[in-house]
Amino acid sequence: NAGVTQTPKFQVLKTGQSMTLQCAQDMNHEYMSWYRQDPGMGLRLIHYSVGAGITDQGEVPNGYNVSRSTTEDFPLRLLSAAPSQTSVYFCASSYSSGAPIAGNTIYFGEGSWLTVV
Amino acid sequence: TQLLEQSPQFLSIQEGENLTVYCNSSSVFSSLQWYRQEPGEGPVLLVTVVTGGEVKKLKRLTFQFGDARKDSSLHITAAQPGDTGLYLCAGGGSQGNLIFGKGTKLSVKP
Repeated sequence: NAGVTQTPKFQVLKTGQSMTLQCAQDMNHEYMSWYRQDPGMGLRLIHYSVGAGITDQGEVPNGYNVSRSTTEDFPLRLLSAAPSQTSVYFCASSYSSGAPIAGNTIYFGEGSWLTVV
Repeated sequence: TQLLEQSPQFLSIQEGENLTVYCNSSSVFSSLQWYRQEPGEGPVLLVTVVTGGEVKKLKRLTFQFGDARKDSSLHITAAQPGDTGLYLCAGGGSQGNLIFGKGTKLSVKP
């Protein structure tokens, strides 16, 4: 079982460069989301999607774009990388919402380590 | 703003010891989840608690949801090196997402 697959695992960018973090899930989940994890800050929601063609902003959306053309894929685009975007990025998916309700297991990818210099 | 405060932030213990980590909020949550995250990996769900006062056991791990649904605790009995990791609590946010605490980093030494 692949679950949630993120690529790349590691990336170094120069300030101003753009890139896309890929996320794919093979569980036919409707809900997908992107979080970033910073030391001392926990995980914070960047963008989320409740289904193909539908996306919305989370807590820290500035500097990021997303799209959801298929159920399986939810790429995260950094438009013009800044050092403040140095972080670990996690993609997550679940059957229904991203809420912690009983029976709704949220699966996380293994993370993408991004350094912006 | 819904916030989850976890304590302690760091915990280093010897194998065989017991420990408790806490997750507190001033807000009421309909449910809370606990995750464990190992280095280089994403969080993995351990348990979901949904009823005030609920106690759930997962082998040596005991999870409790406060009566007022504002707090939760995780107790580990006879900790083992394999328990080492970052323990995160998470509650439901207004956008149907997870709100995470900052985590407790546990190190169990042999």
